[in-house]
Amino acid sequence: GAGVSQSPSNKVTEKGKDVELRCDPISGHTALYWYRQSLGQGLEFLIYFQGNSAPDKSGLPSDRFSAERTGGSVSTLTIQRTQQEDSAVYLCASSLAWGSNQPQHFGDGTRLSIL
Amino acid sequence: DAKTTQPTSMDCAEGRAANLPCNHSTISGNEYVYWYRQIHSQGPQYIIHGLKNNETNEMASLIITEDRKSSTLILPHATLRDTAVYYCIALGGAQKLVFGQGTRLTINP
Repeated sequence: GAGVSQSPSNKVTEKGKDVELRCDPISGHTALYWYRQSLGQGLEFLIYFQGNSAPDKSGLPSDRFSAERTGGSVSTLTIQRTQQEDSAVYLCASSLAWGSNQPQHFGDGTRLSIL
Repeated sequence: DAKTTQPTSMDCAEGRAANLPCNHSTISGNEYVYWYRQIHSQGPQYIIHGLKNNETNEMASLIITEDRKSSTLILPHATLRDTAVYYCIALGGAQKLVFGQGTRLTINP
């Protein structure tokens, strides 16, 4: 079946603009995760969803970042007033359910470049 | 989640078994050992995971020592497409994947 789908695959925007990144998880997966990966850096956790609720928002870098999930499926990550340090690959993952025995499956990410 | 230690790089000949070691000496009883890999410009790919018992799937085998302080990922017949960075993670209740430096595996023709 289809894997995790993210769009756009690449986004170039000017500093100060808002951007919206979309994640379409694997069908039937109830847990959804957002990470980002900067050049040469490791994986940084941002937020996760169980269904439509986000119990842990502690990883969001600032109040310019927000995320929502509706209908238990598609999620959007919004970055307002983008800064150059926001440039990174934003990765979405989903798992069948919440739990450490549930593998997270990743999309190919959105490469965000802030000019 | 427990810290893991992996060799920085490894080479393997095409067609041979690639054995990637990982140390996780401080792993706790409820933490699973996960393996992911990442090929340049692609998202991380899940390979396999286990708690205590050895596991095998269509991609690989995972051997976990009895004391759970280390494990080995085995790719039985490596191909050029297996060239990637491989990450070993000890994942507990927090569900937040953290990738270290990983092992850069190069499969040579």
